[in-house]
Amino acid sequence: GAGVSQSPSNKVTEKGKDVELRCDPISGHTALYWYRQRLGQGLEFLIYFQGNSAPDKSGLPSDRFSAERTGESVSTLTIQRTQQEDSAVYLCASSLVGDRNNQPQHFGDGTRLSIL
Amino acid sequence: GNSVTQMEGPVTLSEEAFLTINCTYTATGYPSLFWYVQYPGEGLQLLLKATKADDKGSNKGFEATYRKETTSFHLEKGSVQVSDSAVYFCALTGGTSYGKLTFGQGTILTVHP
Repeated sequence: GAGVSQSPSNKVTEKGKDVELRCDPISGHTALYWYRQRLGQGLEFLIYFQGNSAPDKSGLPSDRFSAERTGESVSTLTIQRTQQEDSAVYLCASSLVGDRNNQPQHFGDGTRLSIL
Repeated sequence: GNSVTQMEGPVTLSEEAFLTINCTYTATGYPSLFWYVQYPGEGLQLLLKATKADDKGSNKGFEATYRKETTSFHLEKGSVQVSDSAVYFCALTGGTSYGKLTFGQGTILTVHP
């Protein structure tokens, strides 16, 4: 049964390095979301994809963060020149349609990113 | 903008106790409201939802009613079990948000035997 799959599950890297996080959404889900959860805080929205376009990037914290998506499939979130404040769990979610507010989102298990 | 405020935790209860976790919101337009749950070692999963005023969402013995007049969506369960121990998140989508979720900060629930 294919849920949302994220890789790696854990990533430890040194400050200043680039990292790439991957998300495989549920097959057929056109909408894909990235969120971030820092320790002791709620989830923050980062970016939304409908197909391979991103109509809402308003949550990306800085120009070090970027994301892309191939068609209605895999998405990658890239963080360049990582900083310690980037340490968080990065969650990906997908849903059938993004422009209807009542569609439930299905979440992956997340990537726990630790910056040393 | 949209925002969600959740009752601060952690909440600790004995088995079979009554549970309420308060959630209030601010949103433009007519939001849809959700409760998500994260069990230990597992991913975030949808618990229940309500899409219009006075709707009641329910699942696994949990209930929440969409109250537009008080902008609230409180989570309740009549008799909690140890297996309900988890982190609970209230969330909404609304306006022209493309379905993106705005989350509360989460409430940790621990149920003791």
